[in-house]
Amino acid sequence: RKEVEQDPGPFNVPEGATVAFNCTYSNSASQSFFWYRQDCRKEPKLLMSVYSSGNEDGRFTAQLNRASQYISLLIRDSKLSDSATYLCVVRASGSARQLTFGSGTQLTVLP
Amino acid sequence: GAVVSQHPSWVICKSGTSVKIECRSLDFQATTMFWYRQFPKQSLMLMATSNEGSKATYEQGVEKDKFLINHASLTLSTLTVTSAHPEDSSFYICSATGTANTEAFFGQGTRLTVV
Repeated sequence: RKEVEQDPGPFNVPEGATVAFNCTYSNSASQSFFWYRQDCRKEPKLLMSVYSSGNEDGRFTAQLNRASQYISLLIRDSKLSDSATYLCVVRASGSARQLTFGSGTQLTVLP
Repeated sequence: GAVVSQHPSWVICKSGTSVKIECRSLDFQATTMFWYRQFPKQSLMLMATSNEGSKATYEQGVEKDKFLINHASLTLSTLTVTSAHPEDSSFYICSATGTANTEAFFGQGTRLTVV
């Protein structure tokens, strides 16, 4: 089983649609959780951290369920510029604290 | 956010030569740097983790004699791909964290093409 698993995608949605991505992680000791966005041939950029209480940033809402080891990202009123690959990222606890990436979910917002 | 600069952004080299990629943290002290490789349409795969002043820890399947990592200072880590072959062609990305950071900051990536 992969350490971080995401919806395989790709997601093709019309402009204005609401789309949700899911992610599960296997290490119950994981400490921090993030959603990164990666555009084609570019480096990943932090979209938002994910907190236990859930957090919202404009059209983006992230939620964490530690009991189910589940993370989600909701995008409302999607824009053409939201087209990208969304990476679920988990940070381990302990001294290494390395990041583990999900395989990414590709989103294409269509006009 | 913090800035990580990676250089070069792209490089084409002949098979059998070595290529060095630099990763610098410009405005913070990077106690830990990570090197990733990404093949087309695939996710980032961690190659190695390096802590300043220590030997790098390589992931399973990554040859440490082929991918030489040096992290001699708190602001610079280098990855040298030795005796490069066409199958080493990939997108290499570094990221860095400091003691005060919970997130990782990425370099711009280096697209390596070995011909």
